[in-house]
Amino acid sequence: DAKTTQPPSMDCAEGRAANLPCNHSTISGNEYVYWYRQIHSQGPQYIIHGLKNNETNEMASLIITEDRKSSTLILPHATLRDTAVYYCIVSGNSGGSNYKLTFGKGTLLTVNP
Amino acid sequence: NAGVTQTPKFQVLKTGQSMTLQCAQDMNHEYMSWYRQDPGMGLRLIHYSVGAGITDQGEVPNGYNVSRSTTEDFPLRLLSAAPSQTSVYFCASSYYGGRSDYGYTFGSGTRLTVV
Repeated sequence: DAKTTQPPSMDCAEGRAANLPCNHSTISGNEYVYWYRQIHSQGPQYIIHGLKNNETNEMASLIITEDRKSSTLILPHATLRDTAVYYCIVSGNSGGSNYKLTFGKGTLLTVNP
Repeated sequence: NAGVTQTPKFQVLKTGQSMTLQCAQDMNHEYMSWYRQDPGMGLRLIHYSVGAGITDQGEVPNGYNVSRSTTEDFPLRLLSAAPSQTSVYFCASSYYGGRSDYGYTFGSGTRLTVV
């Protein structure tokens, strides 16, 4: 699976959009980009995933660049409850790896009042 | 619908003791996995299963055994606990390897201390 690079920490003001970047320059054609988050001491929570096209759900939007080498997770109106570690994960279905998530250290997003 | 249930939530073991961490899901998910998380680290995959009767090793399988006799349950056994196994353990399940619109569902974790 491709490796990802994320900033270790970011701050965001409450009510503003939080834009979390992720680099995955070695991503291959059949690999998806997944985002999970982990609020302190809890189990990780799935946010969104995508292959090529931008995706949006009730939690967030995922913007993937045309060359697929980077992506941005957007929380449109961050709240204090969005303070968490956010993990960007690339995983494909080659060799049966589609059920293995490789977690890095992620980005600690702190939403400030 | 309880999701993924892990028991116990906390456990203290003495070195050399054995125990089983329980994981159950009621969503009829095919895929189930066990992860461990050490302080300041991301999660690391221990074992996983793609269906009843099928299991395989992940990144850090040594010292752990699993079995999958039913779709619902995926217990993790520590054979002879060591202080290096002090960690938080998370169980996760999903449809189709996490590629549904719901991804993997994680349990709330078991916090294990080996003394």
